[in-house]
Amino acid sequence: DAGVIQSPRHEVTEMGQEVTLRCKPISGHDYLFWYRQTMMRGLELLIYFNNNVPIDDSGMPEDRFSAKMPNASFSTLKIQPSEPRDSAVYFCASSFDSQETQYFGPGTRLLVL
Amino acid sequence: EDQVTQSPEALRLQEGESSSLNCSYTVSGLRGLFWYRQDPGKGPEFLFTLYSAGEEKEKERLKATLTKKESFLHITAPKPEDSATYLCAVVVRGGGNKLTFGTGTQLKVEL
Repeated sequence: DAGVIQSPRHEVTEMGQEVTLRCKPISGHDYLFWYRQTMMRGLELLIYFNNNVPIDDSGMPEDRFSAKMPNASFSTLKIQPSEPRDSAVYFCASSFDSQETQYFGPGTRLLVL
Repeated sequence: EDQVTQSPEALRLQEGESSSLNCSYTVSGLRGLFWYRQDPGKGPEFLFTLYSAGEEKEKERLKATLTKKESFLHITAPKPEDSATYLCAVVVRGGGNKLTFGTGTQLKVEL
């Protein structure tokens, strides 16, 4: 199994630009999670989906952030417009319904200049 | 508010020097406690899940234990390849499948 796949692995952009992060969960997993990791705040849950439906988006910092899951094998996290304080590593994770163990992707390292 | 606190923040050990990492939690109702390992530049890698006080899980040089207030990750005779950040996380009753993480313990094992 390929595991959770994220792209791009690194992204450097300028303030005000739109950023789109992508995630492919493990096949058969019906939960998908987006996390952000920074030195100051550690690993924080942004949003999670169950069967492609957003369940809890209380961690999304503000309206500049949006996430979609159009099908069971693909999700996006979009930041528009981006700001320097959005610089972080963004992780996607997935899990299978009856098990709570989440499996993480390699992350996308975002730098907003 | 659910809280997870890990200590120490950083730990330096000599190869073969056993020690323990602590994860204390204050939650409304624990459903499960998770330990992950994270290497630099990589995503967290699942190690263990513990569900009830008294439960223990082992994997190679690692053993995780759980009480009603905290969990310990015991590392026996560590090797340099055990160097990583160890993260603890909880899932609470009524919290869906949401993981709340501690800030981690950065472990370095030296020769």
